[in-house]
Amino acid sequence: DAKTTQPPSMDCAEGRAANLPCNHSTISGNEYVYWYRQIHSQGPQYIIHGLKNNETNEMASLIITEDRKSSTLILPHATLRDTAVYYCIVRAPNFGNEKLTFGTGTRLTIIP
Amino acid sequence: DGGITQSPKYLFRKEGQNVTLSCEQNLNHDAMYWYRQDPGQGLRLIYYSQIVNDFQKGDIAEGYSVSREKKESFPLTVTSAQKNPTAFYLCASSIWGQKLNYGYTFGSGTRLTVV
Repeated sequence: DAKTTQPPSMDCAEGRAANLPCNHSTISGNEYVYWYRQIHSQGPQYIIHGLKNNETNEMASLIITEDRKSSTLILPHATLRDTAVYYCIVRAPNFGNEKLTFGTGTRLTIIP
Repeated sequence: DGGITQSPKYLFRKEGQNVTLSCEQNLNHDAMYWYRQDPGQGLRLIYYSQIVNDFQKGDIAEGYSVSREKKESFPLTVTSAQKNPTAFYLCASSIWGQKLNYGYTFGSGTRLTVV
């Protein structure tokens, strides 16, 4: 699975959009980009995933560059409850290889 | 509601003792996983199971054992051979065998402390 690079920490003002970048320059054609977040002392929570098109759900939007070497997770109106560690993961959904590898992620702090 | 239940939430163990962490899911997921998380670190895979009565070692399996006798249950035993067992343990499950994997569902974790 491709390696990802994320900034270790970011701050965002409450009510503003939080934009979390992820670099995955070695991504392969069949690898998806997944985002999870982990609130302190809880299990990670799935947010969104995508292959090459931009995706949106009730939690966030995922913007993937045309060359797929990087992506941005957007939380449109950040609240204090969005303070968490955000993990960007890339992997191919192969049969018999459903393992996800979590790095250290980005610690996002929402400022009141 | 469907989900994953880990118990207990906090666990204390004396050095040299084995201890078993429980993980139960009612999502009808085929695959289950155990991860370990140390302070300020990412998650590291201990063991995973894609089907009943079968499981594979992850990246840090030494000192741990698992069983998968039922689809719903994937208990993890931390043995005395694990030299540094104090950590936060997370169990997860997912649908296996589909071309589009919609990700994992995690439990709320068990914090194990060796005293």
